[in-house]
Amino acid sequence: QSALTQPASVSGSPGQSVTISCAGTSSDVGAYDYVSWYQQHPGKAPKLIISDVSRRPSGVSDRFSGSKSANTASLTISGLQADDESDYYCSSFTSYSTHVFGGGTKVTVL
Amino acid sequence: QVQLQESGPGLVKPSETLSLTCTISGGSISYISYCWGWIRQPPGKGLEYVGSICYSGNTYFNPTLKSRITMSIDTPKNEFSLNLSSLTAADTAVYYCVRPVSYSPMDGFHIWGPGTMVAVSS
Repeated sequence: QSALTQPASVSGSPGQSVTISCAGTSSDVGAYDYVSWYQQHPGKAPKLIISDVSRRPSGVSDRFSGSKSANTASLTISGLQADDESDYYCSSFTSYSTHVFGGGTKVTVL
Repeated sequence: QVQLQESGPGLVKPSETLSLTCTISGGSISYISYCWGWIRQPPGKGLEYVGSICYSGNTYFNPTLKSRITMSIDTPKNEFSLNLSSLTAADTAVYYCVRPVSYSPMDGFHIWGPGTMVAVSS
């Protein structure tokens, strides 16, 4: 199985929206609604911000939203804030009964 | 509130076996049938799923690591463990223990330990 494909970096100005794509295959993203997104600040453990394609865990800002179309999932951060500057990873359950992650996207707030 | 804490050796020699333990606090490992997992992150790189073990006994492993992994649950100690054999430098990483957001082993990982750094070097 190959890693999911994410852009290495995206950037935006405060208040803007940015979208991160996560491209998979019909054996992972396209097969299950078990796509998750994680935010990871330097030196910290990742934090789950989206599960099941579009579900936000309690306490996660509604500025984060997720969606999926065919084999590609997306994370949108609206109203970009300085604290959103971080690394973001997508993951999906796969038909091999395992999980696969994307390579990560660095979000920069200009 | 459930919390996880990894413990392990920090430094292991090539070809040896790594043993890591994750201690659960704030909840019982046997109370609800969650699956408990491990994810690792090499320095400066992305996340990699290692595997999961469910209280039912079911296991899920990364196919590229499957032949080298054993996992177990110790109910009295409220902890679960990972053994990874035949180590090489490529196994150098921060290892996180995790729990999914729901009872499904297919779901995303909601609870994470702080991570423990493991270096493989002679």
